[in-house]
Amino acid sequence: AQRVTQPEKLLSVFKGAPVELKCNYSYSGSPELFWYVQYSRQRLQLLLRHISRESIKGFTADLNKGETSFHLKKPFAQEEDSAMYYCALSGQAGNQFYFGTGTSLTVIP
Amino acid sequence: EAGVAQSPRYKIIEKRQSVAFWCNPISGHATLYWYQQILGQGPKLLIQFQNNGVVDDSQLPKDRFSAERLKGVDSTLKIQPAKLEDSAVYLCASKLLAGGTDTQYFGPGTRLTVL
Repeated sequence: AQRVTQPEKLLSVFKGAPVELKCNYSYSGSPELFWYVQYSRQRLQLLLRHISRESIKGFTADLNKGETSFHLKKPFAQEEDSAMYYCALSGQAGNQFYFGTGTSLTVIP
Repeated sequence: EAGVAQSPRYKIIEKRQSVAFWCNPISGHATLYWYQQILGQGPKLLIQFQNNGVVDDSQLPKDRFSAERLKGVDSTLKIQPAKLEDSAVYLCASKLLAGGTDTQYFGPGTRLTVL
């Protein structure tokens, strides 16, 4: 069963425009949700996690349990935001880690 | 702080051959993961270790894949024999704690091509 769905493989926005990367999940119980990012020629790294309710590099993500979504948002995209973004889910015990297929974001100057 | 190390970075083999990958996690990290990332897909968890014990290997194709972490530090992942569909990037990650919210730190990956 698909645990994490990212419907957009590619997303292009202009610099300064708002950006939203969609993520929907299916999991029984209370999962932990994350966004990971991979910049060109760099390692996969954590961007943010829902439990921290933090804003990293201007990005935020709100967990909507009713819609089972965890969309990533930024009000004003920057060129340096161009990267591959993966939504991920784990069980509360830290096992059963699932990644989505990823969204490649391109910010056009 | 040194990051997660993996070797080799690239490997090309013919089908039915064997191959092994090595991972050295961040010092003190108890949890270690191996992922398989096929081109165009997200990473898929193959196996998770907590120290030297297996926590989850439900998605590991055990007829050909094996992994070990004998002393609770370094880990090796082996494929024997390899198939064409095993061509992928194999990622190792580690984290300090066992809980769900702790950060995973990823290595650079090993790109395997099976001809």
